[in-house]
Amino acid sequence: DGGITQSPKYLFRKEGQNVTLSCEQNLNHDAMYWYRQDPGQGLRLIYYSQIVNDFQKGDIAEGYSVSREKKESFPLTVTSAQKNPTAFYLCASSIGPLELNEQFFGPGTRLTVL
Amino acid sequence: KQEVTQIPAALSVPEGENLVLNCSFTDSAIYNLQWFRQDPGKGLTSLLLIQSSQREQTSGRLNASLDKSSGRSTLYIAASQPGDSATYLCAPPRGFYFGSGTKLNVKP
Repeated sequence: DGGITQSPKYLFRKEGQNVTLSCEQNLNHDAMYWYRQDPGQGLRLIYYSQIVNDFQKGDIAEGYSVSREKKESFPLTVTSAQKNPTAFYLCASSIGPLELNEQFFGPGTRLTVL
Repeated sequence: KQEVTQIPAALSVPEGENLVLNCSFTDSAIYNLQWFRQDPGKGLTSLLLIQSSQREQTSGRLNASLDKSSGRSTLYIAASQPGDSATYLCAPPRGFYFGSGTKLNVKP
């Protein structure tokens, strides 16, 4: 089955730790995205990548980092510099630019800081 | 920056009612618009994609319209069912910006 997988489903982090959230897609999509969702709020864009080895900051990139070494993978690292990381993180992909194409989402990772 | 507003924020209706969810946006650039459904604790499921050249799109009991000139889209749900209970989000042109959604509860 084609789709987007995110792991883990739940993640707990201690203060001062870096953690990495995994996002993998087998849809052969060029573009991938990371969003953050807080309770009762819409999604906010963290980073996006339109092609391998290239990515751009979204509205709330501070305290996060990404890499895009492979077309199918777009991991997100939440660093200790992110002051309020507890949230629901969603990864998405599209075959090409969002201006022209449909966006598909993974099941999400819920991150909690202890 | 794109501003997206979804009205109402929450809606509770008895089963069988027809209902309309509204989405308004400030950037009316000619790109597509996508409607999503989100169940609690889950990712987003794509419902409908309206291309920039279209004015509406239909899938089963769902019909979405797009008026780029006024910066508005509506999602019409016919004959609502308890299984339609979820949060519905729209992503206007450029797709990076989402509204807070409309939380729908359909009562049996």
